[in-house]
Amino acid sequence: QQQVKQSPQSLIVQKGGISIINCAYENTAFDYFPWYQQFPGKGPALLIAIRPDVSEKKEGRFTISFNKSAKQFSLHIMDSQPGDSATYFCAASNRRNSGGYQKVTFGTGTKLQVIP
Amino acid sequence: DGGITQSPKYLFRKEGQNVTLSCEQNLNHDAMYWYRQDPGQGLRLIYYSQIVNDFQKGDIAEGYSVSREKKESFPLTVTSAQKNPTAFYLCASTGLKGTGGTGELFFGEGSRLTVL
Repeated sequence: QQQVKQSPQSLIVQKGGISIINCAYENTAFDYFPWYQQFPGKGPALLIAIRPDVSEKKEGRFTISFNKSAKQFSLHIMDSQPGDSATYFCAASNRRNSGGYQKVTFGTGTKLQVIP
Repeated sequence: DGGITQSPKYLFRKEGQNVTLSCEQNLNHDAMYWYRQDPGQGLRLIYYSQIVNDFQKGDIAEGYSVSREKKESFPLTVTSAQKNPTAFYLCASTGLKGTGGTGELFFGEGSRLTVL
């Protein structure tokens, strides 16, 4: 059962434009929503993360918007640059599991290409 | 520098052979994970371990085995029972609550396995 749905699968944006990637989740117990960035041939790295007690988090050109009632969250990349070309994964986890263990569920990924 | 080291980066295997992928971390993290990445399918959890000498199956454990004899090491064996082993394998770790856990997964650079 896929618990985190991500769209679109691929995205082409012109330099300077806004890239928007959307995710939806089903499990209301999730309480941590990170986004990971992966360059070709490398492992993913944490980009930005949000908890459900806030509706928006901004770090530089990257913003997460979170809608708890709709169970949706999205990544916005402002002023997109060619160096942002990568695959982006949304994820969700529950940190309240006993023993502090968290199992992370990932979306299927969005391949972003920013063209000059 | 602290991090996760995976080896080998590339590996070729003949059908019917077992292969072992290495994962070592010097981040003093308690939890370690193995993910499989296939195009369009995101990251799928194979096995995870919270403490030494203990591990649990993830979503796609069939045909794989692991061990956790040391905190810093979590090798993955892809057995001949795995029907479609060609994939990109990622190892990750995270600190748990009470041991500096922030929720962030730290990934290695991956191992690409190709079955000939």
